[in-house]
Amino acid sequence: GQQLNQSPQSMFIQEGEDVSMNCTSSSIFNTWLWYKQDPGEGPVLLIALYKAGELTSNGRLTAQFGITRKDSFLNISASIPSDVGIYFCAGQPYDNDMRFGAGTRLTVKP
Amino acid sequence: NAGVTQTPKFQVLKTGQSMTLQCAQDMNHEYMSWYRQDPGMGLRLIHYSVGAGITDQGEVPNGYNVSRSTTEDFPLRLLSAAPSQTSVYFCASRYGTEAFFGQGTRLTVV
Repeated sequence: GQQLNQSPQSMFIQEGEDVSMNCTSSSIFNTWLWYKQDPGEGPVLLIALYKAGELTSNGRLTAQFGITRKDSFLNISASIPSDVGIYFCAGQPYDNDMRFGAGTRLTVKP
Repeated sequence: NAGVTQTPKFQVLKTGQSMTLQCAQDMNHEYMSWYRQDPGMGLRLIHYSVGAGITDQGEVPNGYNVSRSTTEDFPLRLLSAAPSQTSVYFCASRYGTEAFFGQGTRLTVV
């Protein structure tokens, strides 16, 4: 099956710092997505990427679909306390459902 | 707008018991799926459905059954609960590439 390797597993940063996390796959994906999960809630979609090389922003968040179609990264600029949570990458192979990375747990210290 | 509703939110079962986790969506989405979330492993696909009357297995289907008699409902059945099924379960419905998740069911099997 498709394996997604997400790193880092966890991050502890100061408020105001920038954050970067990435995801790599052993297989090509047609779509890359980034989700955030708040405690006690289900994941919520942050950004969806549909083309190799695509760079998309959503406020302070920026994500890119790697040229090889086997990787993606997510950057968060000027972090704030409400950025705390677990961030998941997800890849969508052709004709199949989404496969998720193990998640990056982000802690932001005020 | 309810979105995806899961019940119950918490459940404790004894080994060997059976139960059904309920999932309902009011967005008229054809695609629905069940995931389990375990620490350090992200979300793993159990079963999915592309429409009423159609279901298929995901990555970790053993020990679980599903059915899809209506567009709105997609229940997940544990036939004989085992401690290895202790997890948080998420139901999702999907439109295009965007998945909408319920709040989850935290299941403990003792």
